[in-house]
Amino acid sequence: KAGVTQTPRYLIKTRGQQVTLSCSPISGHRSVSWYQQTPGQGLQFLFEYFSETQRNKGNFPGRFSGRQFSNSRSEMNVSTLELGDSALYLCASSWTSGGSTDTQYFGPGTRLTVL
Amino acid sequence: AQSVSQHNHHVILSEAASLELGCNYSYGGTVNLFWYVQYPGQHLQLLLKYFSGDPLVKGIKGFEAEFIKSKFSFNLRKPSVQWSDTAEYFCAGRSSRAAGNKLTFGGGTRVLVKP
Repeated sequence: KAGVTQTPRYLIKTRGQQVTLSCSPISGHRSVSWYQQTPGQGLQFLFEYFSETQRNKGNFPGRFSGRQFSNSRSEMNVSTLELGDSALYLCASSWTSGGSTDTQYFGPGTRLTVL
Repeated sequence: AQSVSQHNHHVILSEAASLELGCNYSYGGTVNLFWYVQYPGQHLQLLLKYFSGDPLVKGIKGFEAEFIKSKFSFNLRKPSVQWSDTAEYFCAGRSSRAAGNKLTFGGGTRVLVKP
């Protein structure tokens, strides 16, 4: 079974631009979560989508948004990029959302560099 | 507020030495706990997880962790490490009462195993 895939793997953008990242979950998984990983802040939860609905949201500004499609694929968008948005963005999928034995499996991430 | 903390930021040890990484959590109610590993250049992989039952959990690659409720701890252990265990290790928690799959991560521990 294929794992979580993320595209693109690397992105370079300039301040003020916007960016869209994509995540395809493991087949059959309906929940997709997004995390930001930086050397200073570590791994921080951005948001979770389940059945095309945002289930949870972390403490990030409104410039960070996401959505999920009917096939469970998810995208996240960052508008008006800032230098501090440079990070590894990780996507994780699981069968359900918050089930008693739910486990998240992570993709390889998208490395975003903002110049 | 929910939090997960890892005491050691860096650990250096020789092959065949024993490894123990500390993890403490602060959650109200029941918690699900996880250890993930990130090998150099690779994505986060699940080592083991605890939901309920036997507090001693065995994972992949010879790792185990013990859930001690009275100490709010979930320490990771391996009796004899190999050079290939060089990686960054993350402890993560999720409230089993809260909706959704939001994981709170510790800051990570970088482990370097000298051959």
